[in-house]
Amino acid sequence: GAGVSQSPSNKVTEKGKDVELRCDPISGHTALYWYRQRLGQGLEFLIYFQGNSAPDKSGLPSDRFSAERTGESVSTLTIQRTQQEDSAVYLCASSLVRGLPGNTIYFGEGSWLTVV
Amino acid sequence: DAKTTQPTSMDCAEGRAANLPCNHSTISGNEYVYWYRQIHSQGPQYIIHGLKNNETNEMASLIITEDRKSSTLILPHATLRDTAVYYCIDQGAQKLVFGQGTRLTINP
Repeated sequence: GAGVSQSPSNKVTEKGKDVELRCDPISGHTALYWYRQRLGQGLEFLIYFQGNSAPDKSGLPSDRFSAERTGESVSTLTIQRTQQEDSAVYLCASSLVRGLPGNTIYFGEGSWLTVV
Repeated sequence: DAKTTQPTSMDCAEGRAANLPCNHSTISGNEYVYWYRQIHSQGPQYIIHGLKNNETNEMASLIITEDRKSSTLILPHATLRDTAVYYCIDQGAQKLVFGQGTRLTINP
């Protein structure tokens, strides 16, 4: 596809359940980012991938959150034992290369997660 | 933490030019100034970026001061669909760090 694709677009889950959110970056983009945005709040950086490795996981809020990337393409963000405070839109972004200023980052439309 | 400062909100009349200021006083030599906007918590949309020179594309113009410590995003003929939160970001080597942005409201 032409842009960053995320699925599901909306997810309602019960507290305590695990969820997986998927991101398909723009073809050929080696860098991939996950952000979280709670309702009415700013964007919080979660994790960044270069290829299949994650040199910066500094934003993951707890050990319930994990992410992986395979084939230098698709990434999955997993939230275990979801809590109500996990309700947010989870945004994925990608860019062509890492570590290059002036390298534009493009965002998907996000996955809206509601924990009830 | 975000390294840029922007006004919290601005209003502009439809059809007029919207000028959004940004201060990035700690920008380093190899960092670009990026502008994104976000409409109703959709994914942030890339608008424009620049290093030292002024830039223009189909969406907007970017004016960067000579000392690079501030910039202005110009939407030349604002429409109601330009109502959004606009983010100015110093982008270095890796991730983007978003501040609170400017909530721009275009009024009919």
